Amino acid sequence: DSGVTQTPKHLITATGQRVTLRCSPRSGDLSVYWYQQSLDQGLQFLIQYYNGEERAKGNILERFSAQQFPDLHSELNLSSLELGDSALYFCASSVVGGHEQFFGPGTRLTVL
Amino acid sequence: DQQVKQNSPSLSVQEGRISILNCDYTNSMFDYFLWYKKYPAEGPTFLISISSIKDKNEDGRFTVFLNKSAKHLSLHIVPSQPGDSAVYFCAASAGGSSNTGKLIFGQGTTLQVKP
Repeated sequence: DSGVTQTPKHLITATGQRVTLRCSPRSGDLSVYWYQQSLDQGLQFLIQYYNGEERAKGNILERFSAQQFPDLHSELNLSSLELGDSALYFCASSVVGGHEQFFGPGTRLTVL
Repeated sequence: DQQVKQNSPSLSVQEGRISILNCDYTNSMFDYFLWYKKYPAEGPTFLISISSIKDKNEDGRFTVFLNKSAKHLSLHIVPSQPGDSAVYFCAASAGGSSNTGKLIFGQGTTLQVKP
C-alpha cells in the first residue's frame, strides 16, 4: 500500500459525458501528478500540482482539467468524453524535492 | 518522440537465475532514473532509483547500472523469484531543483520468472 488513494476504482460512462477522478496523496506529500495509461501504452504524464498550484503540464487535452485543494487532495476532470479516453488514470505523489513518486491503484475509465 | 525506450517487450528467465532488464534514453537533461514494478490491476510500485552522478545503486536483490555515455541503464535482479513476475517500467526525470518532477516512462518489459 503506497498510501495514495484513488476513487473510484472503476468508472463506466458514455461518450460526451463528464467525470471526476479523485486522488488523496500520501500524508505530507505536497506534489500530486496525474498519468494516463492507454491500452498497450506506457504511462503518459498529464499534469502536476504542487501545494495547490499547477507546476507542470504534459500532453493533457483541453477537455481535461485538474486542481489541487487546500487539503492537498486532487481531482482530474474529464469532459466531452470520447471512446479514446478509455484508459487507466493514475495519481502519484512525492515529497518536496523528491524524485520518487508513489502511485495510487488507479481508476479504470471505460467510455462506451 | 520516445525519450525513454525499453526495446524488449518481454523476458523469460528461470527461477534463481539473473534477470536483466534494459532501458535506453535520448535526453541528456535526464538527471534521475527510476524503475517501477507493476502487477495487473495495481498501480506502479517504486523499486529502485539512481542519480545521474552515480553509475550503480544496489538494494537487496536489485541493482541498477547507469552508463551515461551510452545513455543506457539496466536493472539486474539476482536471484530471480516467481514473485518478481510483473511488468517493469523504466522512468526518467529532468526535474533538477525546480520540483518539476514529471516522469517519462518507457513502454515496459514483462518479466516472467519460471519455477
